[in-house]
Formats: sequence, structure tokens, C-alpha cells
Amino acid sequence: GESVGLHLPTLSVQEGDNSIINCAYSNSASDYFIWYKQESGKGPQFIIDIRSNMDKRQGQRVTVLLNKTVKHLSLQIAATQPGDSAVYFCAEISRSTGNQFYFGTGTSLTVIP
Amino acid sequence: KAGVTQTPRYLIKTRGQQVTLSCSPISGHRSVSWYQQTPGQGLQFLFEYFSETQRNKGNFPGRFSGRQFSNSRSEMNVSTLELGDSALYLCASSLEASGAVGYEFFGPGTRLTVL
Repeated sequence: GESVGLHLPTLSVQEGDNSIINCAYSNSASDYFIWYKQESGKGPQFIIDIRSNMDKRQGQRVTVLLNKTVKHLSLQIAATQPGDSAVYFCAEISRSTGNQFYFGTGTSLTVIP
Repeated sequence: KAGVTQTPRYLIKTRGQQVTLSCSPISGHRSVSWYQQTPGQGLQFLFEYFSETQRNKGNFPGRFSGRQFSNSRSEMNVSTLELGDSALYLCASSLEASGAVGYEFFGPGTRLTVL
């Protein structure tokens, strides 16, 4: 079955620095990837998505990169702020599994003021 | 527009009891999914309902069941609770037309503790 994993369970960065959170996936047939942010006591919140036919997508202060060759996904956060402290998940979705979402265990990002 | 709501937010039960959790999706969303979140396993898919029909099911025992009503509200039930069922149960809704992938918007979750 599919597996979505994260390289690092925790990440600490200085406020103002850029953050990079990584994610590996195993299903080469996945057509859609999403990054979520989960703050303490809340449910996951959509950040940005990318389709499998894209390599890069930018949002406000965030960029997602997709490398299908090595089945790797990354989330870059520019000028990290204390409010960015949270757990970040990647999710992959495959039409072959009926659009089921598969999530990694998450990376905990701590921003040091 | 109101987000996904879940009730109750916190619940304490003892082993052997059963529990019912409720989820109200975002207005207009017809797909509702349920997830179990634990520190060790992360988010694990339980099941998905679309137009009152279970469309997908994860690898959970039959003690976990759910249903969806005509107004898209959904409930999940866990019978004969075990200690390992202690988790955050998340509901997500999406505006998904047939065959299309929609974003999943999550509720705040129900924290279930089994003693």
C-alpha cells in the first residue's frame, strides 16, 4: 500500500529564516499532493497543493516542490514567523484509490524568536 | 461560512463502552471523511461517506462504523471501546463532485480518552 513519510520529525528554525519540510511518498501513481498545517488543539488546515504534472507551486510565503523522480515533496516557508510553529503534514491522493487521502505522521516546526 | 464542526470536543469513556461522535460538514459539502490521529500513527483514514453511502473504508475493525444523513451530517460509532482507541478523531468535509478531487477541510476533532 501507499506510505507517506517525513524525513525529520522535528525542525527548529530562527524567526526570519526559511524553513524546509520534506516528505517522501511511495505511490508513483498519486496525482495530487497537499500540505497541511496543524496547530495545537486544532484540526489540520490546508496550506497549498500541487498536482503531479507540476514541479513547483508558490503561494503566499510558501512554495511546494515536487520531484517525481525520487518521489519527494517539500514545503518551503519563507521568513518563518512564530505563528508558523505547528505540525506540518503532507498528504497524497490517488484517483486509483478512490481519491483517498494518505497522510504522513508530520513534522513539528518550532520557530525560535 | 461556518467550518466543519465536531461534537463533543472531549470525551472520556471506559473500556467496553460505546461512543458516538458527530460531524457537521461545511454547508454544501457532500463528502465526509473520518480519521483517527495518534502520536505514533499519525492520521489514519477510517472511512468516507458521500451522499449517504460509504465510498471508502480504511483498515479498522468492524467496531468502527459510521453513517451519513441526508443533510450530509455524519456520525461515527465505536463499540466495545479499547484503551488503544484513545485518540483524536478528525472529521473532514470536501466539495467533491463525482470523480473530482476536492480539498478536505478539517474540524477541530474530538479527543476521546478510554480509561
